[in-house]
Amino acid sequence: EAGVAQSPRYKIIEKRQSVAFWCNPISGHATLYWYQQILGQGPKLLIQFQNNGVVDDSQLPKDRFSAERLKGVDSTLKIQPAKLEDSAVYLCASSSGLAGYNEQFFGPGTRLTVL
Amino acid sequence: SQKIEQNSEALNIQEGKTATLTCNYTNYSPAYLQWYRQDPGRGPVFLLLIRENEKEKRKERLKVTFDTTLKQSLFHITASQPADSATYLCALDVVTSGTYKYIFGTGTRLKVLA
Repeated sequence: EAGVAQSPRYKIIEKRQSVAFWCNPISGHATLYWYQQILGQGPKLLIQFQNNGVVDDSQLPKDRFSAERLKGVDSTLKIQPAKLEDSAVYLCASSSGLAGYNEQFFGPGTRLTVL
Repeated sequence: SQKIEQNSEALNIQEGKTATLTCNYTNYSPAYLQWYRQDPGRGPVFLLLIRENEKEKRKERLKVTFDTTLKQSLFHITASQPADSATYLCALDVVTSGTYKYIFGTGTRLKVLA
C-alpha cells in the first residue's frame, strides 16, 4: 500500500514570506496529524484531524499557522508570515482511527529553512 | 509539569550486545505507549505498542517493558546490528476531552559499532 505522501521535501524562504505544505495520507485513514520537529527534538503535534474536522489544535500558533483537510483526505498546512523559529521539519502522519492503540504512519517530512 | 525524558546523549554499543533505551515520564497516566524508529531525513516508523496492563511485549529482537508504578518504559534490542543505528522515540497517549493524542519524547540516538 502507498505510504503518506508529502510535498515539497525541502523549502527555503525568507522570514515574513508565506509557505504551504501538502499531505496525502494513506487511503482510508480517517485521522491525520501535522507535527513540527525541530532539530534534536521529538515531533510536536500541531493539529489533528478526524475526517475533515479538527479534534486538537491546541499547540498550533493560530496567528500564523493554518491547516485544512479537504473532503477528509488531503491536507495543507500554511505558515504566514514565517519566522526564523519556524525552521524545522514538518511531518504529516495518518492513522486508521483516533484510538490510542492505532499506530501512526509518517510521511518523509518537509524540511523548512527560514532565512 | 508533564515531562517525557529519554537519554539525550547518544548510546554507543558493540555489535551483538543488547541495547537498552529508557523512557521516563512524569505527571502522565498513559494507557498506551509506543516506540518509533527514525532514520536521518525520514519520518518515524512504528515499532511496538504496549498497553498499561501489559508488562512486556516482544517482536523479533525487540522487547518493550512498561512499568506504570515507576513511570518508565524500557526498550531492548537484542543481538544488535549496525543496521539498528537510528534515533528511537517513545510516545505516550494523552486523552483530552475524549480525544487521544500522542506526546513524543526527544529520542535517543543509538549507534551500533561493528
